[in-house]
Amino acid sequence: AQSVTQLDSHVSVSEGTPVLLRCNYSSSYSPSLFWYVQHPNKGLQLLLKYTSAATLVKGINGFEAEFKKSETSFHLTKPSAHMSDAAEYFCVVSLTSGTYKYIFGTGTRLKVLA
Amino acid sequence: EAQVTQNPRYLITVTGKKLTVTCSQNMNHEYMSWYRQDPGLGLRQIYYSMNVEVTDKGDVPEGYKVSRKEKRNFPLILESPSPNQTSLYFCASSDLDTQYFGPGTRLTVL
Repeated sequence: AQSVTQLDSHVSVSEGTPVLLRCNYSSSYSPSLFWYVQHPNKGLQLLLKYTSAATLVKGINGFEAEFKKSETSFHLTKPSAHMSDAAEYFCVVSLTSGTYKYIFGTGTRLKVLA
Repeated sequence: EAQVTQNPRYLITVTGKKLTVTCSQNMNHEYMSWYRQDPGLGLRQIYYSMNVEVTDKGDVPEGYKVSRKEKRNFPLILESPSPNQTSLYFCASSDLDTQYFGPGTRLTVL
């Protein structure tokens, strides 16, 4: 069975310092993995996705994530946080077999301190 | 502009009064899906559709119905809403592997 675990429900960082949002997954198949961001009172926007190509994936707004099969992890990072990064972030896994079933993590709320 | 639209954006209703939330996409995607978002639970899939007239249950289908008579539309129907269906609802459409989300519908059932 598939599952996604976001290891931190809340993360606080100072502006200009690195961001690390952790995500572990469980899948019986070769998964596709995604990170979405949700700003307050907004919909969800795709940050980046992994679909069995390069294991280091670059996304929008300076975010990137590395797929580590041995650790079943897909952590999201950014070298330098900006105030506008304050939002909720969701890690998502789906099968690559075309079932279109997506499993969301419970989310990590990122707070950026001035 | 490529987009997913939902209506209404906000809805307050009473227990038992049937309602429909509409979802429409203009990207010619075959796949569409409905989610509900609740604090601390992330997004949970209610129903999804892989094409016209093809729908399947997600993780939390109880109390909901869907239909897919046209490719662009995927309405969510609550035949007899209850207070535990108070939530934020998102519709999404997808190409091969990327979902595009609508702006959300905040539903309150009194």
